[in-house]
Amino acid sequence: DTGVSQNPRHKITKRGQNVTFRCDPISEHNRLYWYRQTLGQGPEFLTYFQNEAQLEKSRLLSDRFSAERPKGSFSTLEIQRTEQGDSAMYLCASSYGTGVMNEQFFGPGTRLTVL
Amino acid sequence: SQKIEQNSEALNIQEGKTATLTCNYTNYSPAYLQWYRQDPGRGPVFLLLIRENEKEKRKERLKVTFDTTLKQSLFHITASQPADSATYLCAQANSGNTPLVFGKGTRLSVIA
Repeated sequence: DTGVSQNPRHKITKRGQNVTFRCDPISEHNRLYWYRQTLGQGPEFLTYFQNEAQLEKSRLLSDRFSAERPKGSFSTLEIQRTEQGDSAMYLCASSYGTGVMNEQFFGPGTRLTVL
Repeated sequence: SQKIEQNSEALNIQEGKTATLTCNYTNYSPAYLQWYRQDPGRGPVFLLLIRENEKEKRKERLKVTFDTTLKQSLFHITASQPADSATYLCAQANSGNTPLVFGKGTRLSVIA
């Protein structure tokens, strides 16, 4: 296992289309996080899972966004009816244990461009 | 709500000098702070964690301090090298189950 992987690395879509991203965490990690990062900003928390349970979702997250982690392994993030403001880098991170204080291992991100 | 600020967007220093980056927080006192390094086009990489009851943490050429009176964490890189050039992010959380809140980051450039 070489770390957290994300696919695709880049996605260009037209406004109004739906997109889905995948994250494969480090295999023994039970926690999985999704963040969004725009240019010049730090990562912004979107949601996180402990095993297959989604424990928290940001209040800033539109209902067009949904995430799943069906078997407690990989996770998907779907954005419906994309808008130009959704253009950003979407980062996935995983960690082992039950506390956010534990080191998070980030993937390389999926860069979304909405035209 | 939690707020965390990294005052400098960019910092340029000469190779061999010590780089000092600042992270300030407001409102709640975080239970701990984490520092990450991010290179262009890549995800952040964890560097150090410091808890509120710790004043200082070290790892090789890196040192982090946590001053709850000043509501500030300082991140130092001693004997800096051009390879240390990157964006450094600080992140805070109030407990083990609240999400990390990241600052905007400081872009460090070490000039040979």
